[in-house]
Amino acid sequence: DGGITQSPKYLFRKEGQNVTLSCEQNLNHDAMYWYRQDPGQGLRLIYYSQIVNDFQKGDIAEGYSVSREKKESFPLTVTSAQKNPTAFYLCASSIAGGEDEQYFGPGTRLTVT
Amino acid sequence: GENVEQHPSTLSVQEGDSAVIKCTYSDSASNYFPWYKQELGKGPQLIIDIRSNVGEKKDQRIAVTLNKTAKHFSLHITETQPEDSAVYFCAASRAKGGYSTLTFGKGTMLLVSP
Repeated sequence: DGGITQSPKYLFRKEGQNVTLSCEQNLNHDAMYWYRQDPGQGLRLIYYSQIVNDFQKGDIAEGYSVSREKKESFPLTVTSAQKNPTAFYLCASSIAGGEDEQYFGPGTRLTVT
Repeated sequence: GENVEQHPSTLSVQEGDSAVIKCTYSDSASNYFPWYKQELGKGPQLIIDIRSNVGEKKDQRIAVTLNKTAKHFSLHITETQPEDSAVYFCAASRAKGGYSTLTFGKGTMLLVSP
C-alpha cells in the first residue's frame, strides 16, 4: 500500500528534551511538509521541502528543525527552544509542490510536561 | 502574507439538509483553492479543489464556487449524511521564495444529525 506514515501516534516527553517525529512516504513524492494543529487554529506550516537536501521555513519554524536526506523521509525535531511544543503534528507530501494534492499522515500527538 | 478566514467555526444541520462553508483570502495572486476533510483522529483528506480559471466545480454532492473578484470561495454539501460529520478546512495557495505552499483556514466542525 502506498501512503504516508508517522510514528509514533502518541509521544510523551519531559520539558527540556529534544524529540524527533518520524515521517515516511512511499508515494515517490518530491515535496513534503510539516504542520502543527492546535484546537481552533487550523493547520500551520512549520517546514517544507520541495526536493532532497533542501528545505524551507514555514510560518512557525522557531524551535523546530528538519532534515531531508532521503526522498522518502522528512523527520521533524522539536527542540527545547520551542516554547509550547504540546500539539498534534501532521506530515504531508505532494507530487511536486503546494498546488498539488497533499496527502497527510495520521499525525503524532506530542505531549510535553 | 496570505490570510484565510473561514466561517462558520461550527455548523449543525439535519440529515438531508445542505451545508455551506465560506472562506475569504487576502492574496490576489492565489490561484489554487483546495478543501480538506478531517475525521476524528485522522489526517486531513482532499475532497475537492478549484483553480482560478474556473468558477465552479462539482463532484456528486459536493461543489465549490470561486469568486476571484471578491476573493472568496465556498464549499456546498447537499443532501448531508451523518458520515459527512467532520472538520472541514479551506486553503489558498501562496507563492513563497519561488515555491508554492498552502495557507489553511481555521476549520469548520460540521455536525449532521440523523
